[in-house]
Amino acid sequence: NAGVTQTPKFQVLKTGQSMTLQCAQDMNHNSMYWYRQDPGMGLRLIYYSASEGTTDKGEVPNGYNVSRLNKREFSLRLESAAPSQTSVYFCATAFGQGGDTQYFGPGTRLTVL
Amino acid sequence: GDSVTQMEGPVTLSEEAFLTINCTYTATGYPSLFWYVQYPGEGLQLLLKATKADDKGSNKGFEATYRKETTSFHLEKGSVQVSDSAVYFCALSPLSGTASKLTFGTGTRLQVTL
Repeated sequence: NAGVTQTPKFQVLKTGQSMTLQCAQDMNHNSMYWYRQDPGMGLRLIYYSASEGTTDKGEVPNGYNVSRLNKREFSLRLESAAPSQTSVYFCATAFGQGGDTQYFGPGTRLTVL
Repeated sequence: GDSVTQMEGPVTLSEEAFLTINCTYTATGYPSLFWYVQYPGEGLQLLLKATKADDKGSNKGFEATYRKETTSFHLEKGSVQVSDSAVYFCALSPLSGTASKLTFGTGTRLQVTL
């Protein structure tokens, strides 16, 4: 089992470009999450999906959109990237409506020039 | 809103030293509390958790006790190893017994030297 996978691992964008970060899990979990990690800020929740077909905003949703494509996949889209979106992005999953543990992917390091 | 405050790092210790990383929280109700660890270049991994007051979470020699009276969940280890060098995050979930919508502290970097 791969667990939680994220693609790509690294990406460099120019301001204004768009891209989609992909997350897939083979753990049969219902809940999926997108976080960003910035120095001195810890992890902050961008969006989450409690179950297939539902998505909700987290703490810092501005500039992002998400799609819960099916139970396995949860993508994060930047429509017009800005330097402030330079960060490391983590996807996580949990069993049920929250489970008792979140499982994290390896992260995507994004730089916006 | 909910918040988690961790001691600032980095924390530098010699191998076999005693470790304490302080964590306090602000939340309504009865949150669940977690410690996650992030090794260089990797995602976060759950280290331990506690879901109700006075519970003690433990794993790999690390321990933390859920203290509701002091709203704290301090991480301790009696004898650290070089392999424990990592960033440690304290987190809470507002719903008892779940890991939904985690709020994280800023992380504490631990460096262990020989």
